[in-house]
Amino acid sequence: QKEVEQNSGPLSVPEGAIASLNCTYSDRGSQSFFWYRQYSGKSPELIMSIYSNGDKEDGRFTAQLNKASQYVSLLIRDSQPSDSATYLCAVAGGTSYGKLTFGQGTILTVHP
Amino acid sequence: GAVVSQHPSRVICKSGTSVKIECRSLDFQATTMFWYRQFPKQSLMLMATSNEGSKATYEQGVEKDKFLINHASLTLSTLTVTSAHPEDSSFYICSARDLLAGGTTEQFFGPGTRLTVL
Repeated sequence: QKEVEQNSGPLSVPEGAIASLNCTYSDRGSQSFFWYRQYSGKSPELIMSIYSNGDKEDGRFTAQLNKASQYVSLLIRDSQPSDSATYLCAVAGGTSYGKLTFGQGTILTVHP
Repeated sequence: GAVVSQHPSRVICKSGTSVKIECRSLDFQATTMFWYRQFPKQSLMLMATSNEGSKATYEQGVEKDKFLINHASLTLSTLTVTSAHPEDSSFYICSARDLLAGGTTEQFFGPGTRLTVL
């Protein structure tokens, strides 16, 4: 079983729609959760971090964390073509304190 | 804030040569820096954790004698790929944690170095 697993994608949504990205993790002791966006040929860019159960909103982005279900998600409202990228879920803490473990990424395409 | 730079951004070298990549935190101090490698269409794989003033900690399967890491100051870590071979061609990315960030584990990534070994 992969330590961090994301919905495989690719995910395609029309402009203006909500994109939903999902991630599960295996280390129940994990404490920190991140979503990174990576454009082709570029390095990852941090877009959201979440540390406690519930929702965290930042502009068009909402991260949701459910530690009991070992599940974290990212919602992108009013998706724009510029949101088209690979989204990486990363988890830290637990047995790998300080180190990030990345999921395989979900490719999102927002079409006009 | 939280800017991390890498140099060079792109390097092409001949097989058997060594390549040094620098990673700098520009506006914060980083006791810990991380080195990742990313092959095409794959996710980031952690190679090693670099701690200022001490030896790096390598992940399983990463040859420490091939990938030399030096973290001489709170703002600079270097990765040297020794005796590079074509299979070492990859996108190398560093990240850094802010010393003053306390318990958070946010990492800020450099722009990456694309290495091509001929």
